[in-house]
Amino acid sequence: AQKITQTQPGMFVQEKEAVTLDCTYDTSDQSYGLFWYKQPSSGEMIFLIYQGSYDEQNATEGRYSLNFQKARKSANLVISASQLGDSAMYFCAMRLDNYGQNFVFGPGTRLSVLP
Amino acid sequence: EPEVTQTPSHQVTQMGQEVILRCVPISNHLYFYWYRQILGQKVEFLVSFYNNEISEKSEIFDDQFSVERPDGSNFTLKIRSTKLEDSAMYFCASSPLMGQGDSYEQYFGPGTRLTVT
Repeated sequence: AQKITQTQPGMFVQEKEAVTLDCTYDTSDQSYGLFWYKQPSSGEMIFLIYQGSYDEQNATEGRYSLNFQKARKSANLVISASQLGDSAMYFCAMRLDNYGQNFVFGPGTRLSVLP
Repeated sequence: EPEVTQTPSHQVTQMGQEVILRCVPISNHLYFYWYRQILGQKVEFLVSFYNNEISEKSEIFDDQFSVERPDGSNFTLKIRSTKLEDSAMYFCASSPLMGQGDSYEQYFGPGTRLTVT
């Protein structure tokens, strides 16, 4: 069965520092997509970044980058220059391209940015 | 920017009552989804809907649940007889038709918080 693991229930980072949020996934499929979503205290789900399983380069979106290591089945999110507004829950999710279109979410990591 | 909308934002109901949660997906999207998130827990997939029928559903989506796209714009989730454990945030999401390798994310609505008393 497909599974996403996020081993860090909570993380702290100093403002302006970089932080890495871990995500590992388990699938035997070759074609899949990996996503990161941010959920602030207000509850909405905000898309951050996407990595396709066939993408050779790591995805980047502004201050967000995805450290994709396919052999290790990891897709860690790196946030550079943390801001107070980055404090939120962060969810890693996987979509299997050949198995429906739904997402499997990890349990999330709560990031707190300290001033 | 187009967005997914959901109503109501908060619904309180008594155990055993029927509830209908409403969603308006982004207009040119073709896939629709419902997810739920019990407080403090991860987001769980309930059901996906494409071409006016359910394309996939999880074990959570039992006979108490149903979905409908009644008028070409709304997408609803009905819970026939609510239980205490149905209390959760329910998210609707939509996405364009996706193919292999497409980067289309699912656009999530703001959620409906359902409280069953």
